[in-house]
Amino acid sequence: GENVEQHPSTLSVQEGDSAVIKCTYSDSASNYFPWYKQELGKGPQLIIDIRSNVGEKKDQRIAVTLNKTAKHFSLHITETQPEDSAVYFCATTTWGAQKLVFGQGTRLTINP
Amino acid sequence: SAVISQKPSRDICQRGTSLTIQCQVDSQVTMMFWYRQQPGQSLTLIATANQGSEATYESGFVIDKFPISRPNLTFSTLTVSNMSPEDSSIYLCSAPGALDYGYTFGSGTRLTVV
Repeated sequence: GENVEQHPSTLSVQEGDSAVIKCTYSDSASNYFPWYKQELGKGPQLIIDIRSNVGEKKDQRIAVTLNKTAKHFSLHITETQPEDSAVYFCATTTWGAQKLVFGQGTRLTINP
Repeated sequence: SAVISQKPSRDICQRGTSLTIQCQVDSQVTMMFWYRQQPGQSLTLIATANQGSEATYESGFVIDKFPISRPNLTFSTLTVSNMSPEDSSIYLCSAPGALDYGYTFGSGTRLTVV
């Protein structure tokens, strides 16, 4: 079955700097790649997603890039703010499977 | 994307008892998903709940332990049966958005078994 590896497990950056989180996946049939932010005591919140026919997508300070050949995708957060501190999860799914497989998560801390 | 209301938000239960968790979606969805998130860990899929048919369970999860109901296209329940302290986790439901993308999650149920 699908396997998703996420790195790093923890990331600490200074406020205003950029943060990058990377995920690799095993199933070449994967076609949807969402990113979730989970704050303490809350459910995961979808922050951005990308489909396999697109190489990059941006939404204000957040961007996701996809390299289908290498089977990896990355989350980029620019101009980080304290409220970006949370656990971030990548996930993939395959059309027809309709169930998400998650990475292990990255705890991002923004230092003021 | 779908908006999901999940309850209870938390509970403390005695071992050997059962707890039923409810999720209500604000739109009709074909599938709903139930996940477990152990402390400090990622999300693990328990089962997929289809309306009108039995749920499909992932490896390591069985219907006797985690019975699921899906009476209509906007509602589902997960029961955690005969609980032990090892069942202490966050349980989450999820549903896809349009065209089966944009999965959203309920706020989670934090279960502690004592």
